[in-house]
Amino acid sequence: GQQVMQIPQYQHVQEGEDFTTYCNSSTTLSNIQWYKQRPGGHPVFLIQLVKSGEVKKQKRLTFQFGEAKKNSSLHITATQTTDVGTYFCAGWAGNTPLVFGKGTRLSVIA
Amino acid sequence: EPEVTQTPSHQVTQMGQEVILRCVPISNHLYFYWYRQILGQKVEFLVSFYNNEISEKSEIFDDQFSVERPDGSNFTLKIRSTKLEDSAMYFCASQRDTGNTIYFGEGSWLTVV
Repeated sequence: GQQVMQIPQYQHVQEGEDFTTYCNSSTTLSNIQWYKQRPGGHPVFLIQLVKSGEVKKQKRLTFQFGEAKKNSSLHITATQTTDVGTYFCAGWAGNTPLVFGKGTRLSVIA
Repeated sequence: EPEVTQTPSHQVTQMGQEVILRCVPISNHLYFYWYRQILGQKVEFLVSFYNNEISEKSEIFDDQFSVERPDGSNFTLKIRSTKLEDSAMYFCASQRDTGNTIYFGEGSWLTVV
């Protein structure tokens, strides 16, 4: 079945450093979604990417969808302590449920 | 902003007991889901529900699990005879249309002892 791989599993950064998490699907996706889960919380939708090569920005967050619509990345510029949490990508292949990656747990050291 | 609500927030149950987790999806949404997350692990799909029937289920969703939408607003997950390995956070989610954003509830933390 469809698999979504996400790396790294953990990332510890100093406040102010950049952070990137990468997501790779075993199948071509109709869209990819990104979620953030704060410690003890529930996944909260961040963004959805639909088009090949699409790039979207939300303040310090930049999301990219690969040309082949099989990979995606989330980049955070100048991390802050409020960025702490686990970032999940989730791929939708069109006729299957949303499949989540294992997530990247981000720790930010002040 | 509309939200998915779940009850209870936390339930402790004895192994072998039945558990019902309840969810109220967002009112104009058509697709409903249950996901679970074992502590420290990824969010795993259990089942999707559309038009009053299961549309898809994972291998985790065995005969011990069932879902119902009894009254047009609630969406329930029943575990007939809980096992220790059922201990997890169970998230209900809803979606207006397939491919759209999925909105998660805050989760029901199930501890089986």
